[in-house]
Amino acid sequence: DQQVKQNSPSLSVQEGRISILNCDYTNSMFDYFLWYKKYPAEGPTFLISISSIKDKNEDGRFTVFLNKSAKHLSLHIVPSQPGDSAVYFCAARFEGGGNKLTFGTGTQLKVEL
Amino acid sequence: NAGVTQTPKFQVLKTGQSMTLQCAQDMNHEYMSWYRQDPGMGLRLIHYSVGAGITDQGEVPNGYNVSRSTTEDFPLRLLSAAPSQTSVYFCASSSAGGTQYFGPGTRLTVL
Repeated sequence: DQQVKQNSPSLSVQEGRISILNCDYTNSMFDYFLWYKKYPAEGPTFLISISSIKDKNEDGRFTVFLNKSAKHLSLHIVPSQPGDSAVYFCAARFEGGGNKLTFGTGTQLKVEL
Repeated sequence: NAGVTQTPKFQVLKTGQSMTLQCAQDMNHEYMSWYRQDPGMGLRLIHYSVGAGITDQGEVPNGYNVSRSTTEDFPLRLLSAAPSQTSVYFCASSSAGGTQYFGPGTRLTVL
């Protein structure tokens, strides 16, 4: 049972345009959400997070939106750059869960020149 | 400050062999965990530890053992390797409730 879902395995965007990566979850106990970025042959690196008490968090070119009623979050990258080409994982955890993360399957983003 | 280190980077085993994947962190983090990444499956939690001497199972623990004798080290043992354990393994660490930092991974192939 996949509790965190990323239904788009890949996304291609032109440089300078907006990239929107989506993530859905089923477990209403999740109260903290994270996005990780992964380059080939490297470990995932933390990108941005959001608590369930917020609906938006922004960090430079990256913004995460959370819609709790729809159990949906999205990552917006504006403007997209070629260096953003990577696999993006959505992850979730819940208070009392011992910092355990449940990951989505990832979306491969390709930013083209 | 090396962060999270993993050894080896690559390993090929034959079915039935055992081995230990090493993980170390120098950030004095209480929480450490092991994940495996498989195509189309994302990262799945194998085992985790909330401190020295304390370990617990994650989502996919079968065929793996862990121990945590020090804060710094969290080795993952494959008792009898099977082809289904072919995967990329990532170790991660964090402070309690903090962001998890991942190591560079170990790519394991079981023939």
